Amino acid sequence: DGGITQSPKYLFRKEGQNVTLSCEQNLNHDAMYWYRQDPGQGLRLIYYSQIVNDFQKGDIAEGYSVSREKKESFPLTVTSAQKNPTAFYLCASTRDSTSRYGYTFGSGTRLTVV
Amino acid sequence: GENVEQHPSTLSVQEGDSAVIKCTYSDSASNYFPWYKQELGKRPQLIIDIRSNVGEKKDQRIAVTLNKTAKHFSLHITETQPEDSAVYFCAQEGGSNYKLTFGKGTLLTVNP
Repeated sequence: DGGITQSPKYLFRKEGQNVTLSCEQNLNHDAMYWYRQDPGQGLRLIYYSQIVNDFQKGDIAEGYSVSREKKESFPLTVTSAQKNPTAFYLCASTRDSTSRYGYTFGSGTRLTVV
Repeated sequence: GENVEQHPSTLSVQEGDSAVIKCTYSDSASNYFPWYKQELGKRPQLIIDIRSNVGEKKDQRIAVTLNKTAKHFSLHITETQPEDSAVYFCAQEGGSNYKLTFGKGTLLTVNP
């Protein structure tokens, strides 16, 4: 996966359940991002972290939480407060806090509520 | 805040024709504009980018043009092939916070 790995590839969540999506990178990138992709909506930013132990809300952070305890890892928790969690979730990383080197994306996790 | 408008949302061309996708942006401080290609079920991949100090950049059949005065940039694909079929996203880097804001995407279909 080009140095950034998301797991699992498919995830099923029951109503009222929290689930955590994993994102790991071995690129030594400082910044990491979580995007949600819905048909016709493009990529919408959930959370991002430009340095370890720090993260910021994106445009659609409600119902989600993150942590950045290690440089390599940026897990996303979809909580029961997220009313419409079914979507394709993409994690990305970039070398530093700017975007000038381009984003490297993981292969994504497809989350479905059952 | 940053906003990127992308048009058209769908584009169908015959193999060998050219395809053009246009984006407009709101953040006049932006200096970096990448384009990503996402094939069905796969992750987006950077195909070309442009910085504000140039007006055009070309890489084989792909080119990007930038008009900073008008705040729009375009992706041009010449001699299209069926393998060019994918969703294409434009993006801009925020001038103050450096994160990327994406357009909603264009589904390009190249018919053989």
